[in-house]
Amino acid sequence: DAGVIQSPRHEVTEMGQEVTLRCKPISGHDYLFWYRQTMMRGLELLIYFNNNVPIDDSGMPEDRFSAKMPNASFSTLKIQPSEPRDSAVYFCASRGDGTGYGYTFGSGTRLTVV
Amino acid sequence: AQSVTQPDIHITVSEGASLELRCNYSYGATPYLFWYVQSPGQGLQLLLKYFSGDTLVQGIKGFEAEFKRSQSSFNLRKPSVHWSDAAEYFCAVAPGSGYALNFGKGTSLLVTP
Repeated sequence: DAGVIQSPRHEVTEMGQEVTLRCKPISGHDYLFWYRQTMMRGLELLIYFNNNVPIDDSGMPEDRFSAKMPNASFSTLKIQPSEPRDSAVYFCASRGDGTGYGYTFGSGTRLTVV
Repeated sequence: AQSVTQPDIHITVSEGASLELRCNYSYGATPYLFWYVQSPGQGLQLLLKYFSGDTLVQGIKGFEAEFKRSQSSFNLRKPSVHWSDAAEYFCAVAPGSGYALNFGKGTSLLVTP
């Protein structure tokens, strides 16, 4: 089991550029979550999917952020245009359906917008 | 409002001493409860989880946690801390199996020689 795979690990971009973060969940997991971690706000839920369908996107900061899950093995989080305040570590997590499953996190993408 | 509180931002313990990290939650029913650990620059690793049943839960790395319904608490304990336990610890709660995790602000653990 390769775990939850995120890419890239680090991203440095200029303000105004488009940024795309990628996530491959664990095979067979039905839920996928995107979180953002900053010193000021801690770990915040951005959006989560169940069976590729967005369930709750109330944490998405604004229209500059969008997330898709075109199939069970891939999800993207896009920021367009990026701003310095978007600098953070973005985590993807997945879990199986039913009771007893833990939430498995990827290693994260550290985004720096200059 | 639903919330997760970790009252201690920083805790310092001596190597070999016991450890207890506090977590309180505010949810309508018994939620699913988790503890994660994060080393600098790393992702979050699951230490243990509670869904139902025995209120004392054993996890990895010698950690355990006890669910106390009357106190709405899920405190993490370890009888003897090792220097490698220095990290950030997060308590997290989900209302049920189909929900996202809501995290506390974390407790930073420093272990002194």
